[in-house]
Amino acid sequence: QVQLVQSGAEVKKPGASVKVSCKVSGYTLTELSMHWVRQAPGKGLEWMGGFDPEDGETIYAQKFQGRVTMTEDTSTDIAYMELNSLRYEDTAVYYCATLRIAASEYFEHWGQGTLVTVSS
Amino acid sequence: EIVLTQSPATLSLSPGERATLSCRASQIISSYLAWYQHRPGQAPRLLIYDASNRATGIPARFSGSGSGPDFTLTISSLEPEDFAVYYCQQRSIFGGGTKVEIK
Repeated sequence: QVQLVQSGAEVKKPGASVKVSCKVSGYTLTELSMHWVRQAPGKGLEWMGGFDPEDGETIYAQKFQGRVTMTEDTSTDIAYMELNSLRYEDTAVYYCATLRIAASEYFEHWGQGTLVTVSS
Repeated sequence: EIVLTQSPATLSLSPGERATLSCRASQIISSYLAWYQHRPGQAPRLLIYDASNRATGIPARFSGSGSGPDFTLTISSLEPEDFAVYYCQQRSIFGGGTKVEIK
């Protein structure tokens, strides 16, 4: 059974960066396709990006291109999401989630979420 | 880019009643869809994948149907723990959500 445990809440100032981690257990990172989804207060779920197993590269939503970097440390099975140049509207709960590809693509396992608050 | 439109935005029902949630894709890119339940303060939980397959451990009162562009999530008899927000998803796109609240 896959378990994803994320790092704790963060408070950052506008313009700063935040790096959220997601520790995998039950499987290795190399066996999974890790993605990141966020939810701003009062809003719905928003996909940010993740590992595309078809071409072996990380893909990002256009909205976050140039501002987000997703990396993986396969020696420790920890995935990271770093978001730069933080804005007030980046205040959100950030989730890591594993993408499963069957007849369609869906997010099978989720981390517990990390609240990132951007405040001056 | 596809848009997934969920309706209604809010569904007010009593425990034991049947809930029917809809999700419509703006264009047909897939015959399949996933549904998630999201309770406050918790991670989203996969309920249905490939439009009609229940995920592991999901009770039989949850069922999914449809094949594009219209999909439906049905909860046959609402339990207290089912009052939550539900999202549909195709590829990287999520619908706006339907909140199922206690009437």
